[in-house]
Amino acid sequence: GQQVMQIPQYQHVQEGEDFTTYCNSSTTLSNIQWYKQRPGGHPVFLIQLVKSGEVKKQKRLTFQFGEAKKNSSLHITATQTTDVGTYFCAGTYNNNDMRFGAGTRLTVKP
Amino acid sequence: DAGITQSPRHKVTETGTPVTLRCHQTENHRYMYWYRQDPGHGLRLIHYSYGVKDTDKGEVSDGYSVSRSKTEDFLLTLESATSSQTSVYFCAIGRTDTQYFGPGTRLTVL
Repeated sequence: GQQVMQIPQYQHVQEGEDFTTYCNSSTTLSNIQWYKQRPGGHPVFLIQLVKSGEVKKQKRLTFQFGEAKKNSSLHITATQTTDVGTYFCAGTYNNNDMRFGAGTRLTVKP
Repeated sequence: DAGITQSPRHKVTETGTPVTLRCHQTENHRYMYWYRQDPGHGLRLIHYSYGVKDTDKGEVSDGYSVSRSKTEDFLLTLESATSSQTSVYFCAIGRTDTQYFGPGTRLTVL
């Protein structure tokens, strides 16, 4: 079935280190979105990727969509304590179904 | 944040009792969604609505029903709550590729 796998489930880093989370689908996606959820909060939309091989940047965050439109990554350069939270990807399929990944929980040690 | 409120924000109930959660939006958006969030599962779609009185099932709809009598309100009902329905419930508005979430309702079924 349609499913988006996300790894790792947890990541603990020292402040200033980089962080990457990966999402993978067995079938081609129409587009993929990324959300951030702070502890105790609600998911907040970060960005949408639509084109094959697309790369978008938001300050220290870099988002990539694979050439085959089956995988995506979010990379944070030089993490800060404000980056703490859970990062989710959500893939939309051609039938308009959307599936969220299980999320990667990021903790940052000052 | 988008104008989305959820009520109640917290609820504790007993197995077998009916429960209704409310989502209210001030954005006049056509699409509304109900998700549940559980550790290790990310967000899973329960039901969604594409207009007044127009609803459809999502990935995990068993045991849940919904109603939408006005554009601004989307109700989620658990006809007879079970312990497996203990979760955090989020309402969202928007398209499948860009969604905005409410603050969530934490439901505990004893």
